[in-house]
Parts: sequence; structure tokens; C-alpha cells
Amino acid sequence: TQLLEQSPQFLSIQEGENLTVYCNSSSVFSSLQWYRQEPGEGPVLLVTVVTGGEVKKLKRLTFQFGDARKDSSLHITAAQPGDTGLYLCADTGGFKTIFGAGTRLFVKA
Amino acid sequence: EAGVTQFPSHSVIEKGQTVTLRCDPISGHDNLYWYRRVMGKEIKFLLHFVKESKQDESGMPNNRFLAERTGGTYSTLKVQPAELEDSGVYFCASSQVPKELHSGANVLTFGAGSRLTVL
Repeated sequence: TQLLEQSPQFLSIQEGENLTVYCNSSSVFSSLQWYRQEPGEGPVLLVTVVTGGEVKKLKRLTFQFGDARKDSSLHITAAQPGDTGLYLCADTGGFKTIFGAGTRLFVKA
Repeated sequence: EAGVTQFPSHSVIEKGQTVTLRCDPISGHDNLYWYRRVMGKEIKFLLHFVKESKQDESGMPNNRFLAERTGGTYSTLKVQPAELEDSGVYFCASSQVPKELHSGANVLTFGAGSRLTVL
């Protein structure tokens, strides 16, 4: 059974700081996805990456997929309070999606 | 378009009682999924419907859980009788058959979840 390990589990930073969170898989990803979940809401898809070494940018968020397709990082530049939430990585091979436990980010104003 | 709607948002019941959770997917989405997160753990797959048919129910914990999707529209998830370990947040998600599926990517839209507390 594939396991996705995310680190750190919790991160509290000041507004304006940069941060990176990580996701490591016990096996090669089929397709890697990153979600963000806010309190009282369901996860919302941020990005899907498929190709090893791929880098995608979404405003201040940069997603990097490892060459071996077993790890990924999410970098946020100049974090804002609105970035607060639970960041989840996931593997979606076919119709079943496997999630990591997430990194809970809190950005203080 | 309206998103995925789940009801109730929170349910508190006693051990041994029955609870039914409802999910209304995005209109036109043939694929409907149930996922669950128990305290401190990752979100885990329960089952997948294509229209009214159960495509994959490998994640259902045991026979106290029954999911239905009559008519291929909304779905219900019934827990009977509920146990303490069933407490958690139950998420519903839906998707179309995505053109990206050839690359293995499935794009899910989640509801806000139904929090179940069993006392």
C-alpha cells in the first residue's frame, strides 16, 4: 500500500516569510496533486503534475516534482494570512486518490 | 455551477444509533466518491460510484456501512449501528470522466464534509 509522508506536520510563520513543505511517497506517483483545505471546507485542488522534474507555478506557489517521481515540494513566497490552511499531497492513479496526512500552515499577520 | 453539497454538516449520535449522510454531486458528474478522515489521520477512500453502480467499494470499513446512489444522482451513506471509531469527517466528491484520465489524473471536487461524532 502506497504511503505519502508530508513534512513538517505543522508550520507557523510570520506574514512575508517564505516556506517549503514536502511530500515523499513510498512508491512512484501515478499523478501528483496538491490540495489546500480550509477549516470547515473540503480540499480544493491546487495543481496536478505528471512529469518527473516538472515545475508549476500558481501565483506565489511553486510546485516541484522530483525527477524520480517519488517526491514533491511546495514553496510559498511571501506568505500571507490567506495562505493559512492544510496542504495535502495526493496520488491519483485511476479513480482512487491516496492522500498524505497534510501540513498545517498558519500564517500570522 | 453549484458545488458538491453534503448534509448534515455535523451529526452527534450515541453508539448503536443510525446515521445517514447525504451527498448531492455537481450536476452531470457521473463519478461520485466517499472519503473519510478520522482524527489525526489522512483522508481515506471509501467507495466510488459511476452513475448508480458501485465501481469500487474496497475502502468500506465493514458491513455497518451502506452506500447507495439510486437513480445515479444523490448518494447516501448510512452507518448502522454506529461505533465510537466511526467518528470523523466524511467527505463526498464528484468528477466527470476527465480528459486527463489518460495520464492517470482524476480531478475531484469535494464537498465541505459531514462531521460525525459518536458518543
